[in-house]
Amino acid sequence: SQQGEEDPQALSIQEGENATMNCSYKTSINNLQWYRQNSGRGLVHLILIRSNEREKHSGRLRVTLDTSKKSSSLLITASRAADTASYFCATDGHSGGSNYKLTFGKGTLLTVNP
Amino acid sequence: DAGITQSPRYKITETGRQVTLMCHQTWSHSYMFWYRQDLGHGLRLIYYSAAADITDKGEVPDGYVVSRSKTENFPLTLESATRSQTSVYFCASSSEGRSIQYFGAGTRLSVL
Repeated sequence: SQQGEEDPQALSIQEGENATMNCSYKTSINNLQWYRQNSGRGLVHLILIRSNEREKHSGRLRVTLDTSKKSSSLLITASRAADTASYFCATDGHSGGSNYKLTFGKGTLLTVNP
Repeated sequence: DAGITQSPRYKITETGRQVTLMCHQTWSHSYMFWYRQDLGHGLRLIYYSAAADITDKGEVPDGYVVSRSKTENFPLTLESATRSQTSVYFCASSSEGRSIQYFGAGTRLSVL
């Protein structure tokens, strides 16, 4: 079963705008990760946030984690056409599992229009 | 070139045929994974392996077989392909003690 669920399913914005994607999960985690997938390609790791962290930055990416609400958000600032991709959250440490297995959400398709 | 490679990139086969998808990584990562990606379902774990000769089922293992005789290779076999196994298959790997996974480019499989 899916652990993470992204929201919205699809998002269309103009270049230069910020894009925010959300992820909700169901059980306790060790960490949460975000991945990007360009059309026809494999997933690429973007950023990892541990369960004891609340916010993390990497370049134009900002990730927040609220373990009390079991939710995370990914903010991409000053978006570019090259940011057009699907974005997935992934969680580990779910009940009965080990921290090397990840459970992925269904993804948010981001389209950045030039 | 170092990394994780999948072959073939595209495969068309017929119902009932046996198909093997290959995955090779050059990092000596302990863990390897096979996922399938379908519209509306996201990525689902088929099988994973913690080391050579250690494999375990994921969320959707039925109809698939894996082996891992060498650390660097993790082939996925569809013993008797069905139309419902039409999908994009991704192999991934991660190192001991780290959960970040590195993905191959995928194999697009069509079962007619």
